[in-house]
Amino acid sequence: QVQLQQWGAGLLKPSETLSLTCAVYTGSFSGYYWSWIRQPPGKGLEWIGEINHRGDTNYNPSLKSRLTISVDTSKNQFSLKLTSMAAADTAVYYCVRRLDGAAAGLHFFDSWGQGALVTVSS
Amino acid sequence: SYELTQPPSVSVSPGQTASITCSGDKLGNRYACWYQQKPGQSPVLVISQDAKRPSGIPERFSGSNSGNTATLTISGTQAMDEADYYCQAWDSGIAVFGGGTKLTVL
Repeated sequence: QVQLQQWGAGLLKPSETLSLTCAVYTGSFSGYYWSWIRQPPGKGLEWIGEINHRGDTNYNPSLKSRLTISVDTSKNQFSLKLTSMAAADTAVYYCVRRLDGAAAGLHFFDSWGQGALVTVSS
Repeated sequence: SYELTQPPSVSVSPGQTASITCSGDKLGNRYACWYQQKPGQSPVLVISQDAKRPSGIPERFSGSNSGNTATLTISGTQAMDEADYYCQAWDSGIAVFGGGTKLTVL
């Protein structure tokens, strides 16, 4: 059973940059896309973006200008950087796994990290 | 941008059948998934590929997808099924989630 463990700063000031990292344990790193999904308090889920072990990325257009997702295959880790943070970016951020394959039906999120609350406040 | 619409809330009595809908333009032409989220917990996949149950998900959970609507059905609903449920599909390489439905078992 894959385990996803994430860490990063939990309290930011407006305009600062969010940095989160997720480590993948007990499972294959290749063959999957590794995503970030967030959830504002009391609200629904929003997909942020994803990366595979080759470094191929897909970003949510609404965040693309502020977003960088990177991968370190030597450590089985992937990271998120989101610049110019604002109060609207306050959310629980999850790192999540999905299969990397040609079959569209297999593109579901089957493993989720524990989530990390990121608060943006002056 | 593509949108998925869910009812904000659904109520069901214990032992009865709960149906949660997810609507989107020609959603039946895409694959829909469903996630269950209990308070303070991470979401859990309960239905993939419109109607497939992952290992460990009870048989009372089922799904369908046709036309513009995907439906999550919980037969013989139990108190432990009380949670938020989110549908999800892909549009042009972007994962899209519905707004979520709070299922109340009362």
